Amino acid sequence: DAGVIQSPRHEVTEMGQEVTLRCKPISGHNSLFWYRQTMMRGLELLIYFNNNVPIDDSGMPEDRFSAKMPNASFSTLKIQPSEPRDSAVYFCASSLRMTSGGSSSYNEQFFGPGTRLTVL
Amino acid sequence: QKEVEQDPGPLSVPEGAIVSLNCTYSNSAFQYFMWYRQYSRKGPELLMYTYSSGNKEDGRFTAQVDKSSKYISLFIRDSQPSDSATYLCAMRTSGTYKYIFGTGTRLKVLA
Repeated sequence: DAGVIQSPRHEVTEMGQEVTLRCKPISGHNSLFWYRQTMMRGLELLIYFNNNVPIDDSGMPEDRFSAKMPNASFSTLKIQPSEPRDSAVYFCASSLRMTSGGSSSYNEQFFGPGTRLTVL
Repeated sequence: QKEVEQDPGPLSVPEGAIVSLNCTYSNSAFQYFMWYRQYSRKGPELLMYTYSSGNKEDGRFTAQVDKSSKYISLFIRDSQPSDSATYLCAMRTSGTYKYIFGTGTRLKVLA
């Protein structure tokens, strides 16, 4: 089975340019997460979608960052305009959230290979 | 103080050694504990997923949770050079999607 797919794997851009990162979650998963990983801060959750709806975007650093999930098999993370401090590895992860009787359970998250972003 | 503390290493061991990787945490409400392995320039790969206290074994890997001490461990038996990677612990409370990650321990197994 295919895991989480991300593209591009590497992106080098100049400050001020728009950057779009893409993610295809594991088929059947209904939860999608975008993370950023840096040496200084480790893995940080940026945004969480459930059933294509953004549930928690409190980790999005600022208005320059936006994320969409138009359908169950595709999500984008956009940075406009990009800045050198946005340089990091961006990961997408997916999982299955199950609900029963008003409560939710969350299964383990599976990560994609990441997009290494360099903003010059 | 961070919610999850993990020694960044690096930890160098000879091939065949038993490796012990550890995380401590401060939130007693954490119920789910995960270990991820991350090779250089790759995404984190789930190794072990445990609920509450106790041990879980999978091949050469054993995950141990001691909730009374707020301490989790990952043991690797008969370590191999292919085990060289960064190991991240993660944990969450029940009913939430939010993982709290450790910063990772870099392990190098020398042939």
